[in-house]
Formats: sequence, C-alpha cells, structure tokens
Amino acid sequence: DGGITQSPKYLFRKEGQNVTLSCEQNLNHDAMYWYRQDPGQGLRLIYYSQIVNDFQKGDIAEGYSVSREKKESFPLTVTSAQKNPTAFYLCASSMGWGTDTQYFGPGTRLTVL
Amino acid sequence: KNEVEQSPQNLTAQEGEFITINCSYSVGISALHWLQQHPGGGIVSLFMLSSGKKKHGRLIATINIQEKHSSLHITASHPRDSAVYICAVKGGKETSGSRLTFGEGTQLTVNP
Repeated sequence: DGGITQSPKYLFRKEGQNVTLSCEQNLNHDAMYWYRQDPGQGLRLIYYSQIVNDFQKGDIAEGYSVSREKKESFPLTVTSAQKNPTAFYLCASSMGWGTDTQYFGPGTRLTVL
Repeated sequence: KNEVEQSPQNLTAQEGEFITINCSYSVGISALHWLQQHPGGGIVSLFMLSSGKKKHGRLIATINIQEKHSSLHITASHPRDSAVYICAVKGGKETSGSRLTFGEGTQLTVNP
C-alpha cells in the first residue's frame, strides 16, 4: 500500500535533548513538508522540500533542522534550541511543489519533559 | 486577524442533521482545501476546489471567490463524521506561492 509513515506515534524526551522524527513515503512524490500543530492553532509550516537534496525554511523553522538525502525520506530534528517543542508533528507529501493534494502521515506526538 | 477563519469552532449535532461549516479568507487564493482530522490525528484531504461546488457522497463543498468564502456541508450526519474539519488555502501569485495557510479547525461531534 502506498502512503506516508511517521514513527514513532508517541515520543518522550528530556529537555535539552535533540530528537529526530521519521517521515517516509512510497508515493514517489517530489515534495515533502513538515507541519506543527498546537491546540487552538492551525497547522504551521516548519520546513519543506521541493525535491531531493533541497529544502527551505517554512514559517517557524527556528530550532528545527531537516535533511532530504533520499526522495522517500524527510526526517525532522527538533533541537534543544526549540523553546517549546511539545506539539503534534505532521509530515505530508505531494506530487510536486504546490500541485494538487497533500497527503498526510499519521503524525508524531512529541512531549518534552 | 488570521488569514483563514473558520466558524463555528465547535459544533455538536444529532445524527441525521444537516451540518454546515464555514471558512472565510482574506487573501487571494488559487485553491481551497477541506481536510478531515480524526481523533487519532491523521489528516485526510476531502476536497480541493477553486470555483463552484464539489460533491462526494454526503459531503458537499462550495466556494464563492468574490466573497472569499467556502462552506462544507454534511447531509444526513452520522457519529462517524465526528472529527476536526480544517480549511486551508493555497496562495495566488501575489501571496506566498504554493504554501497552504490553515484555519484553526472546527470540532464536529455527532451524537447518536
């Protein structure tokens, strides 16, 4: 089955630790995205990648980093510089940049203790 | 003021009722999306529209470009429709390109 997977579903980390969230897609999509969702707010774009080996900052990139070494993978690292990392993180992909529908993964809920 | 406003924030209905969720936006757009987020967190795209009306099963989405307004209707609502419904707009040429801007979502609960 084609789709997007994110792992793990729930993640707990101590304050000051970096943590990497996984996102994999087998849809052969060029574009991938990372969003953050907080209660009472709409999804906000952290980083996006239009094509492999390229990525751009979104609206709230501070304290985060990404890589896009493979077309199917777009991992997100939440660094210790992120002041408020506890949130629900969603990965998405689309056929091309800005085209058609974005397909979302199931999300990872990160809690920093 | 957010670029995308949804109303109501919360909606409770009885099974079988006709439901309307509204979305207003303040920027020029090239497309509008309606998304559904289930309690587990996963998001599914319901519609993408740039004009007129689309229908899929019991769901109908309409958009009025001149008024910068879209509605999502659910006919014969069912408890399994309970979810958060999210409106998102894709900017036109003069805005942020192809990024999506999201509304805060409408929490719908349908009671049996």
